[in-house]
Amino acid sequence: AIRMTQSPSSLSASTGDRVTITCRASQGISNYLAWYQQKPGKAPKVLIYAASTLQSGVPSRFSGSGSGTDFTLTISWLQSEDFATYYCHQYYSYPETFGQGTKVEIK
Amino acid sequence: EVQLVESGGGLIQPGRSLRLSCVVSGFTFDDYAMHWVRQPPGKGLEWVSGISSNSRSIGYADSVTGRFTISRNNAKNSLYLQMNSLRTEDTALYYCAKASGSHRDKLEDWGLGTLVIVSS
Repeated sequence: AIRMTQSPSSLSASTGDRVTITCRASQGISNYLAWYQQKPGKAPKVLIYAASTLQSGVPSRFSGSGSGTDFTLTISWLQSEDFATYYCHQYYSYPETFGQGTKVEIK
Repeated sequence: EVQLVESGGGLIQPGRSLRLSCVVSGFTFDDYAMHWVRQPPGKGLEWVSGISSNSRSIGYADSVTGRFTISRNNAKNSLYLQMNSLRTEDTALYYCAKASGSHRDKLEDWGLGTLVIVSS
């Protein structure tokens, strides 16, 4: 199985900060990568797919980049509603896999 | 409006079997791949299994291969997960998720989940 390694596992940030989360695949996955946001007690919500395409309705402060094995999710101007846990997900091949998650907390 | 409603969870003893169901509405079910994703209490997401729109492509996580079986009934707009030989580590909230295409793709819509607790 392709292993997805996210870093950091958690971070503290303030409103207005720029935040970057990375995801590394154990083998090349082209651009078959999505990013999700999950808030406590809620189902995940897709933010980015195909590594860099913004899902409809998602604010433009979210962006994604990367291809092959290294990927990045950036929140350019952190807002209060962005404090949540973020997951990467590879859908290049079965079994599909998620990263372990990055919790973004208020500093 | 897309809706996915899971059912079938509950408290079950180790070694026993359980069948989860997901009934969907608001879209043409047989055009989309479907998945099960689970989340143990307080932990991260784990992809469990996926099935293409025509059921010809199926995948399982290593942790459930040989014990779980995914299936779908396009006539009933329903997705299933047959779980056999359950273990305590299978305890989790199980989400049904719709892909945005007929095969592997982003998971665009999710249900609220059904909780499975495996305990003696």
